[in-house]
Amino acid sequence: GAGVSQSPSNKVTEKGKDVELRCDPISGHTALYWYRQSLGQGLEFLIYFQGNSAPDKSGLPSDRFSAERTGGSVSTLTIQRTQQEDSAVYLCASSLGEGFGSPSTDTQYFGPGTRLTVL
Amino acid sequence: KQEVTQIPAALSVPEGENLVLNCSFTDSAIYNLQWFRQDPGKGLTSLLLIQSSQREQTSGRLNASLDKSSGRSTLYIAASQPGDSATYLCAPDSGAGSYQLTFGKGTKLSVIP
Repeated sequence: GAGVSQSPSNKVTEKGKDVELRCDPISGHTALYWYRQSLGQGLEFLIYFQGNSAPDKSGLPSDRFSAERTGGSVSTLTIQRTQQEDSAVYLCASSLGEGFGSPSTDTQYFGPGTRLTVL
Repeated sequence: KQEVTQIPAALSVPEGENLVLNCSFTDSAIYNLQWFRQDPGKGLTSLLLIQSSQREQTSGRLNASLDKSSGRSTLYIAASQPGDSATYLCAPDSGAGSYQLTFGKGTKLSVIP
């Protein structure tokens, strides 16, 4: 079946503009994660969804970042008033999640990412 | 806060060699640890997942071990091939009921034909 897909694959924006990044998880996966990978840095966790709720938002770097998930499927990560330090690759992952997989066996499957460049 | 270190940062080997990638993490209260590979400009591909109760996991030429108490994991690649060239990332979860993964900066592997 289809894997995790993300759009757009590349986004170039001007400082101060808002951007929306989209993630389509694997069908049937109830858990969804956003990570970002900045140049020279490791991947860092942003937010985790179980269904439509986000029990863990601890990684969002500022209140300019928000995310939502609707219908237990598609998720959108929104960055308002973008700054140059927001430039990174934003990766989405999905997994079976609670009630299906257990934490010890819940493999996360990653999408190809969205490369965001803020000029 | 979980912190992950991967050594070496880069490794170049001739084709056919066996090799070991090392990963250490600070918080041993994990549920599982995953190894991924990342090809340039692409997302992550999950290679192996080791549960905290396991000591090793094998898939083809790959073998991952886990010593949870000492906070270490190794990825062994047998008979390396040029197609193995990629960045390998170690990612234990953050434990304490959290499913989020904490990543090391990776080991960039180059297998020379």
